[in-house]
Amino acid sequence: SAVISQKPSRDICQRGTSLTIQCQVDSQVTMMFWYRQQPGQSLTLIATANQGSEATYESGFVIDKFPISRPNLTFSTLTVSNLSPEDSSIYLCSDGGQLRGYTFGSGTRLTVV
Amino acid sequence: GQSLEQPSEVTAVEGAIVQINCTYQTSGFYGLSWYQQHDGGAPTFLSYNALDGLEETGRFSSFLSRSDSYGYLLLQELQMKDSASYFCAVVGAAGNKLTFGGGTRVLVKP
Repeated sequence: SAVISQKPSRDICQRGTSLTIQCQVDSQVTMMFWYRQQPGQSLTLIATANQGSEATYESGFVIDKFPISRPNLTFSTLTVSNLSPEDSSIYLCSDGGQLRGYTFGSGTRLTVV
Repeated sequence: GQSLEQPSEVTAVEGAIVQINCTYQTSGFYGLSWYQQHDGGAPTFLSYNALDGLEETGRFSSFLSRSDSYGYLLLQELQMKDSASYFCAVVGAAGNKLTFGGGTRVLVKP
């Protein structure tokens, strides 16, 4: 299975600023996914990052707030823009390479103050 | 759309057996996955069922009934390290996306 390096592991950001989260996969994968998880809650899919085309966003998530880049088949970034305290959460990336088991990054714990 | 229901919490003692049920409603379905997540950690893959029946992987087994839109994860010979949250997730027909259930927190007591 793939290994995904995600960084930063945590950050504290001021309101109105942005945070960019990076995920590096050790093998080429067609799709990558970005999730948000409130502590103690389930995972909510934000978007699918496709190489060579724009990301596909789920209902309730928009590109202006969560711009995503996917420059190649091993790397993706998620930016959380114009931060507010409601954006405080854990953000996770995953690959989408094999139906039998997706691999997740270790997560980024974001606190907005 | 997709929706999945699973119990919020289960408590059991070491050595016991726990069954976590998951019922789903989905507009497209490839299979049902199970993930384990320890506090502060990332979800890790446990099991995947695409066809009806039982899949066994060591102490963990997973079952699927497509006609009943139902599955379960069976944890046997519980150990303290099994204390974690367990999520069922549907692999949908559109783009291999995972839709997660609310998660079941399993607490194993000595």
